[in-house]
Amino acid sequence: AQSVTQLGSHVSVSEGALVLLRCNYSSSVPPYLFWYVQYPNQGLQLLLKYTTGATLVKGINGFEAEFKKSETSFHLTKPSAHMSDAAEYFCAVSPLEGGGADGLTFGKGTHLIIQP
Amino acid sequence: GAGVSQSPSNKVTEKGKDVELRCDPISGHTALYWYRQRLGQGLEFLIYFQGNSAPDKSGLPSDRFSAERTGESVSTLTIQRTQQEDSAVYLCASSPTGSNQPQHFGDGTRLSIL
Repeated sequence: AQSVTQLGSHVSVSEGALVLLRCNYSSSVPPYLFWYVQYPNQGLQLLLKYTTGATLVKGINGFEAEFKKSETSFHLTKPSAHMSDAAEYFCAVSPLEGGGADGLTFGKGTHLIIQP
Repeated sequence: GAGVSQSPSNKVTEKGKDVELRCDPISGHTALYWYRQRLGQGLEFLIYFQGNSAPDKSGLPSDRFSAERTGESVSTLTIQRTQQEDSAVYLCASSPTGSNQPQHFGDGTRLSIL
């Protein structure tokens, strides 16, 4: 069984400030971890993923995330927020990169608000 | 290339009516997934197809929900006798094999039950 917890349904930061979106997971097997972004009225776009190897993963739009097994965390960060980063962000876990027969298990999402 | 296509993009219907949602996966992708996204909640996995076979239908919320897939192509999600709690965004995703490649999502169908 797997689960994902995203702390904070809404996060507000100033333009140019650090973005930190938190994600903790539980998994009975070594996990594949994902961050997806969803802009209004659009589907989910993959930001980045952790499969194996390097624990610091770089994604699109300047985002990165670090897999910390001891903390069961996969927090998403960006050094400097841009207005275009305003969106809903979802953390997901799976025993397989493609989801397998059980699909991806998603967190409830974090709405990122960027203040000018 | 073409991504995952879903239709309609929006559907408004009266309670009790049947609705059919369509998903065209990326060509060549054998794995196809349906998810439901209720307002303020995360994505809820509904069903997975490998080819036209759905090994596990237990994620479907009730027996009013059914899904089919033709070969390794189009899939339809049907909701019979819709209820207000069915209002949600229904997202479809596909991946090359379902095991070692990430999923690609469509833009979803926003279903509103009056």
